[in-house]
Amino acid sequence: KNEVEQSPQNLTAQEGEFITINCSYSVGISALHWLQQHPGGGIVSLFMLSSGKKKHGRLIATINIQEKHSSLHITASHPRDSAVYICAVDFSGGYNKLIFGAGTRLAVHP
Amino acid sequence: DAGVIQSPRHEVTEMGQEVTLRCKPISGHDYLFWYRQTMMRGLELLIYFNNNVPIDDSGMPEDRFSAKMPNASFSTLKIQPSEPRDSAVYFCASSSRTGRVLTFGAGSRLTVL
Repeated sequence: KNEVEQSPQNLTAQEGEFITINCSYSVGISALHWLQQHPGGGIVSLFMLSSGKKKHGRLIATINIQEKHSSLHITASHPRDSAVYICAVDFSGGYNKLIFGAGTRLAVHP
Repeated sequence: DAGVIQSPRHEVTEMGQEVTLRCKPISGHDYLFWYRQTMMRGLELLIYFNNNVPIDDSGMPEDRFSAKMPNASFSTLKIQPSEPRDSAVYFCASSSRTGRVLTFGAGSRLTVL
């Protein structure tokens, strides 16, 4: 069975802290997506990666294919980073047929 | 581009009524996806299209659900008859085969009473 596990489920941080969210999956994938869902409900794609590391501003995503594990890091966290972060994996060979993790709810306090 | 456009944003209806949700993908994107999000089950893929053709509808919960994509700029998701357990947020997303990054619409929040 294809499964996606995220940890932690909930995360509270103080502004400025370094944050890590983890995602593990059960079988080989063609790509992994990190999504951000704002408190208002909108979903934004942050990263799509199949190997290595990507960086955008204060966000860094890494993936270890051998260990079937990915991490999303937020440096110098800010209250506007408060959102649900969702990991999704593509088992379909690149057709974006995704299976989603349950999400990590992040709250960053000033 | 205005992004992926969904309508309506909110729909409240009574059990047994027909519900139609609409989606306009980003121009040039050849993949379109319908997802459902609930508190209990999170995000789930319902169906996806490639070049207007349904490729995989294995996530459609039952025959009460149907989806069409008559052209590259429009898709509908229909529920007939609706039931309270269909209450959820329905998202449409599109992507291109080359880019593969998904762009989501704002979602349609459905409440069936």
